[in-house]
Amino acid sequence: DGGITQSPKYLFRKEGQNVTLSCEQNLNHDAMYWYRQDPGQGLRLIYYSQIVNDFQKGDIAEGYSVSREKKESFPLTVTSAQKNPTAFYLCASSIGAPGPREPSSYNEQFFGPGTRLTVL
Amino acid sequence: QKEVEQNSGPLSVPEGAIASLNCTYSDRGSQSFFWYRQYSGKSPELIMFIYSNGDKEDGRFTAQLNKASQYVSLLIRDSQPSDSATYLCAVSGQNFVFGPGTRLSVLP
Repeated sequence: DGGITQSPKYLFRKEGQNVTLSCEQNLNHDAMYWYRQDPGQGLRLIYYSQIVNDFQKGDIAEGYSVSREKKESFPLTVTSAQKNPTAFYLCASSIGAPGPREPSSYNEQFFGPGTRLTVL
Repeated sequence: QKEVEQNSGPLSVPEGAIASLNCTYSDRGSQSFFWYRQYSGKSPELIMFIYSNGDKEDGRFTAQLNKASQYVSLLIRDSQPSDSATYLCAVSGQNFVFGPGTRLSVLP
């Protein structure tokens, strides 16, 4: 089965700790994304990666870090510098990154099941 | 001006009625438009995408696109309680941008 997996499903963190959220895809997609969602709110982009060994900050990158050493994997680290990390974290992937091209579903983003992070 | 705007709702419709969800966007160069459905506590799932002006139908769902007005909508016919969810509009141009979502409640 092709898809995106995220682990763990639930994560509890003590204040001052760094934690890493896993995201793996076997869809052979080039682009991967991390979003944060707070209760009753929309998706906010944290980081995205268009290709291996390259990534860009999104709208709320402060207090987060990522790596993209393999095409299939895009882990997100929530550092102690993130002051309010309790949220639902969603990983997504797409065949390619947005840009000027013929319209298509090329940029359709597929989502993993999410990780719910709670700071104790 | 936000890049993608939606009414936050909640939008309440009776079972069997047509639900109409609207989305406007600011990037005139946007090429592709997507509607996602997100149930509470779950991740978004794609319902439809559209990139040509006009209507696109898939079962009970119809997406409508008007690029001149920078407007895209989703109609849900014969609404069911199971359609109760948040609907996210996403627009792909220079960037892929999600709207804040509209919460739909279908009342039995």
